[in-house]
Amino acid sequence: DAGVTQSPTHLIKTRGQQVTLRCSPISGHKSVSWYQQVLGQGPQFIFQYYEKEERGRGNFPDRFSARQFPNYSSELNVNALLLGDSALYLCASGGWEGPDTQYFGPGTRLTVL
Amino acid sequence: DQQVKQNSPSLSVQEGRISILNCDYTNSMFDYFLWYKKYPAEGPTFLISISSIKDKNEDGRFTVFLNKSAKHLSLHIVPSQPGDSAVYFCAAINLMDSSYKLIFGSGTRLLVRP
Repeated sequence: DAGVTQSPTHLIKTRGQQVTLRCSPISGHKSVSWYQQVLGQGPQFIFQYYEKEERGRGNFPDRFSARQFPNYSSELNVNALLLGDSALYLCASGGWEGPDTQYFGPGTRLTVL
Repeated sequence: DQQVKQNSPSLSVQEGRISILNCDYTNSMFDYFLWYKKYPAEGPTFLISISSIKDKNEDGRFTVFLNKSAKHLSLHIVPSQPGDSAVYFCAAINLMDSSYKLIFGSGTRLLVRP
């Protein structure tokens, strides 16, 4: 079985631009969560979606938005990029059967210049 | 406001010895705790967890201890192996939060020397 996949692997943008990151959950998983990991810190929760509905939102500005599609894949959008948005963006699928059952993808490394 | 803290950024241990990684938390609403291991270019991988109703959970070479009164947990790896070299994250969760939002510490980089 394929694990959680994320695209692209790496991305370079300039300040003020917009970016879209994509995540495909493990087959059968209906929940997707997004985390931001800044260098030297632990992952920080951004959003969770379950059955295409937002179930949780972290302390991030409105420049961050997300959605989940009927096939349970998800997109994270960030508008008006700032230098501080440079980070590894992690997607996790599953978890609805319990916290132990969240599986993380390899992440998308976003660099904002 | 860091609710989960890992105060040791790095730890170096000889192969075969015990590795002890520590984690402190401040939010008394946390009732479930997890440890993740992360290799470069990979996402975090679940390692072991513990509920707040327990004080110890063991899985092979990995044991997690929870001291609720001190709001402290630790991960013991015995014996340590070179393949254990990775960044270890402690995470906490409030099971009443329907989003299953994980609150992570900043991580400890473990190096197991052959």
